Amino acid sequence: DGGITQSPKYLFRKEGQNVTLSCEQNLNHDAMYWYRQDPGQGLRLIYYSQIVNDFQKGDIAEGYSVSREKKESFPLTVTSAQKNPTAFYLCASSLTGTGPNTEAFFGQGTRLTVV
Amino acid sequence: GENVGLHLPTLSVQEGDNSIINCAYSNSASDYFIWYKQESGKGPQFIIDIRSNMDKRQGQRVTVLLNKTVKHLSLQIAATQPGDSAVYFCAEKNKGGSEKLVFGKGTKLTVNP
Repeated sequence: DGGITQSPKYLFRKEGQNVTLSCEQNLNHDAMYWYRQDPGQGLRLIYYSQIVNDFQKGDIAEGYSVSREKKESFPLTVTSAQKNPTAFYLCASSLTGTGPNTEAFFGQGTRLTVV
Repeated sequence: GENVGLHLPTLSVQEGDNSIINCAYSNSASDYFIWYKQESGKGPQFIIDIRSNMDKRQGQRVTVLLNKTVKHLSLQIAATQPGDSAVYFCAEKNKGGSEKLVFGKGTKLTVNP
């Protein structure tokens, strides 16, 4: 089955530790995205990538890093510099452009809790 | 921009009524708009999309209206059902070389039986 997979679903880390969230897709999409969602809030864009080996900062990139070494994978690292990392993290992918079938598909999210 | 501390607008309707969820967008260069439904603890799911060369698009029980003059988007759900209870987000993208997909604040819809 084609889809986008985030792992793990729940993640606990101690304050001061870096943690990497996984996002894999087999939809052959060029574009991938990471969003952060706080309780009762909307989705805020952290990073996005239009193509392999290229990515751009979103609106809240500070304290996060990404890589895009493979088309299928777009891992997000939450670094110790992120002041309030506890949140629900969502990954998405899409075809590029704004033509037919370019809507973004989302994974089921990773809930990160830093203690 | 930052929206920390601002909670989602809410809409409460009776089962069987029609629902209208509104969204204002800020980028006049945006030319592709999408509505998503998010159930608690899950990722958003695609509902319907519309491009800027259209002002209305219909799906199954849903209709999206686009008013570019006032940069306003709405989602109409006909005969709302309890299973429609969720948070609804609009998202926008522009084709000017960037794949940046930006989400609106979202509206929490509650359907009362």
